[in-house]
Amino acid sequence: DAGVIQSPRHEVTEMGQEVTLRCKPISGHNSLFWYRQTMMRGLELLIYFNNNVPIDDSGMPEDRFSAKMPNASFSTLKIQPSEPRDSAVYFCASSLTGGSNQPQHFGDGTRLSIL
Amino acid sequence: GNSVTQMEGPVTLSEEAFLTINCTYTATGYPSLFWYVQYPGEGLQLLLKATKADDKGSNKGFEATYRKETTSFHLEKGSVQVSDSAVYFCALSDTGGTGGFKTIFGAGTRLFVKA
Repeated sequence: DAGVIQSPRHEVTEMGQEVTLRCKPISGHNSLFWYRQTMMRGLELLIYFNNNVPIDDSGMPEDRFSAKMPNASFSTLKIQPSEPRDSAVYFCASSLTGGSNQPQHFGDGTRLSIL
Repeated sequence: GNSVTQMEGPVTLSEEAFLTINCTYTATGYPSLFWYVQYPGEGLQLLLKATKADDKGSNKGFEATYRKETTSFHLEKGSVQVSDSAVYFCALSDTGGTGGFKTIFGAGTRLFVKA
């Protein structure tokens, strides 16, 4: 079975450029989460969607960050303009919504470096 | 609000030693509790879970018991292997409010197992 698929796996770009991260959740899962992981701050929830609708975006650090989920099988996280402090590993995860006992399934992440 | 506190790492053990990683939580409702494991270069993956008080989750020799009276969910393994070297995250999942369920992760505990 295909797991959560993220692309690209690695991204290196210069500050000021637009960055778009992509995620394909597991088929049939109706909750999707975007996380950021750094050594300093650990794992931070940025935003989560339920049935393609953003439920909580309180973790999105600034207006430079935006996320969309146009359909059940695709989501994007965009940073515009990017800054060096955005360098991190970004994870997408999906789960079934049916109760708090549903675990999250993570992709392998996108390692983002902003120069 | 809900929170998860786990012991700081790194934890360094010799092969075949006994492992305990402490985890305590605060929650207003009746959360489900999880342990996730992260290997280098990968996303988090579910190790085990427990959904109600006194439940014991187990997988691959790891165990954790949901203790409501002490609000704890400590991870244990009787005999660790070098391949268990990873970062371990304790987590709880509870109602997200306006829809879906939100997972709160601990800071993670890095485990090194020496041959």
